[in-house]
Order: sequence, then structure tokens, then C-alpha cells
Amino acid sequence: AQSVAQPEDQVNVAEGNPLTVKCTYSVSGNPYLFWYVQYPNRGLQFLLKYITGDNLVKGSYGFEAEFNKSQTSFHLKKPSALVSDSALYFCAVRPPFSSNTGKLIFGQGTTLQVKP
Amino acid sequence: DADVTQTPRNRITKTGKRIMLECSQTKGHDRMYWYRQDPGLGLQLIYYSFDVKDINKGEISDGYSVSRQAQAKFSLSLESAIPNQTALYFCATSDGTSEYNEQFFGPGTRLTVL
Repeated sequence: AQSVAQPEDQVNVAEGNPLTVKCTYSVSGNPYLFWYVQYPNRGLQFLLKYITGDNLVKGSYGFEAEFNKSQTSFHLKKPSALVSDSALYFCAVRPPFSSNTGKLIFGQGTTLQVKP
Repeated sequence: DADVTQTPRNRITKTGKRIMLECSQTKGHDRMYWYRQDPGLGLQLIYYSFDVKDINKGEISDGYSVSRQAQAKFSLSLESAIPNQTALYFCATSDGTSEYNEQFFGPGTRLTVL
């Protein structure tokens, strides 16, 4: 079965330190990969996506993500965390050949807590 | 995203009642989606529509129905609400010209079924 896993329910980081939010996927073929962020009482906001090409993808608010095909991972990173980065982060995968379903498979979400 | 609006934002109802959640978008996108979010489960797809005449079931469509009244409007109905439908519901849109276009989400509707 196709799936996305975010192994950490919560990640705690001190402000100014680098952060990583992990995501692994189990999808055959070459999927499209996405990261979204959800602030309290808000909908999900798109951060970045990997389609093809360079394994390091840069996105909004200084975030980046590294695609690793051999490890089937797409970890979200930021060199220096801000308190305002505290939110719920979702990894999502669009399986290949899913144009007739429009389906995105979401991970369960990781809460990022950045402390001053 | 302010271009995708949902009404109501919060709703408390009783078991057995019919409920309609509405979604409107000004992004001009052809594709619209309804998701349900439960704590620890991520988002699950309820229904999706690729245009006004195209409606498809997602992974958890039982107990739900939808209507695509126009390209810009996509409503979700719970014909007879039950407590385990208590959740946060999101509408989303995307531009169907490419399969890797991101989805844009509304602010969500928090539904409580007593």
C-alpha cells in the first residue's frame, strides 16, 4: 500500500538552531513530493515541492527539503529556526500515474515547537 | 489562502441532522477537493471534482455527498450526521493543467456532532 510516514509527532528546537522534520514514503515509481504548513486556525499553506532534477529544493520562509531516492525520504530543513516557525507540518506525496484520481497522500503531521 | 473560502467556520450540530459545508474559490481552478483532518491521521480525501460534471469518491466517502454547483463552488453534505464525523474539514483547489501543481486550501470548518 502507498503511504507517507512522518516518524516524529513533535520536534523541539531552540531558536537559531537548524531544524529537520522527517518524511519517508512508500510509493512505487517516481512520485511528486510536497510540504505544507498549518498554523493554528488556518488552512494548509504550500511550502515547496519536488518534481524532478536537483535533489535540494528551496521553498517559502527559508525552508528547503532534500529528496533522497535511495532512502525514499524528503526531509524538510531550515538552517536557523524562528519562533514563528512553530506550526504543524505535513508531508504529502502524489503517486505517479495518478492523474485520474488527483490523489495526494498525506503524512500524519509533525508539530514543530521552536523555543526562544 | 484567502482565495478559497469556507462557510461556516464552526458548526455544532446533533446526531441525525443534515449539514452542508460550502466552499468557494476565486482562483479560477478547475479541480476542487474535500478533505477531513483528524488528529494524528493527517488529511483524508472525501470527494474530488475535476470539473462541474466530474465528481469522484475519495478514500472515505461513506456518509458524505457533494455538489459542484459551478466551477467556483463545491459543497459537502452530511445527510445524517453522526458523532464520528466530528472533525476539521478542508476544501482545496488546484490547477489541472499540470499534475504537479500544488493544492490551495481554505481555512477549514470545524464540525462537532453531538
